[in-house]
Amino acid sequence: DAGVIQSPRHEVTEMGQEVTLRCKPISGHNSLFWYRQTMMRGLELLIYFNNNVPIDDSGMPEDRFSAKMPNASFSTLKIQPSEPRDSAVYFCASTFAPTDTQYFGPGTRLTVL
Amino acid sequence: GNSVTQMEGPVTLSEEAFLTINCTYTATGYPSLFWYVQYPGEGLQLLLKATKADDKGSNKGFEATYRKETTSFHLEKGSVQVSDSAVYFCALSGMNTGFQKLVFGTGTRLLVSP
Repeated sequence: DAGVIQSPRHEVTEMGQEVTLRCKPISGHNSLFWYRQTMMRGLELLIYFNNNVPIDDSGMPEDRFSAKMPNASFSTLKIQPSEPRDSAVYFCASTFAPTDTQYFGPGTRLTVL
Repeated sequence: GNSVTQMEGPVTLSEEAFLTINCTYTATGYPSLFWYVQYPGEGLQLLLKATKADDKGSNKGFEATYRKETTSFHLEKGSVQVSDSAVYFCALSGMNTGFQKLVFGTGTRLLVSP
């Protein structure tokens, strides 16, 4: 079975550019989570969706970050404009609520120069 | 609010040594408890879980017991291998309007030398 798919795996961009990260959850899962991982702050939950609806976006750092889930098989996390402090590994995870085991994708390593 | 506290790393061991990584939690209600593992360059993978007090989760030689009286979920393995080198995250699930939201600890890096 295919797991959670994320693209790109690596992204290098310059400050001020728009960045879009993509995620395809496991088929049949109805909840999707976006996390950010850095050495300084560890693993942070940014936002999560249930049945394509954003439930909690309190972890989104600021207005430069936005996330969408137009259908059950696709989600995007956009940063516009990007800044060097956004450099991190971004993970997507999915599950079938109400079960609580989340399945993580391989992550996107973002570097903003 | 809910929180998880893990021991600071890195934990450095020789192959075949006994491993303990401490994890304590603060939560309302009766959360489920998890250990996730992250190998270099990869996402997190579920290692084991326990859903109620006194449950023992186990997988790949790792074990952890849900201790409600001490609010702990310590990870143990009797004999570690070099391939166990990774970062280990303790987590709990907090019900939030019916949807499962995991709260993670800061992670503990394990380094196993031959």
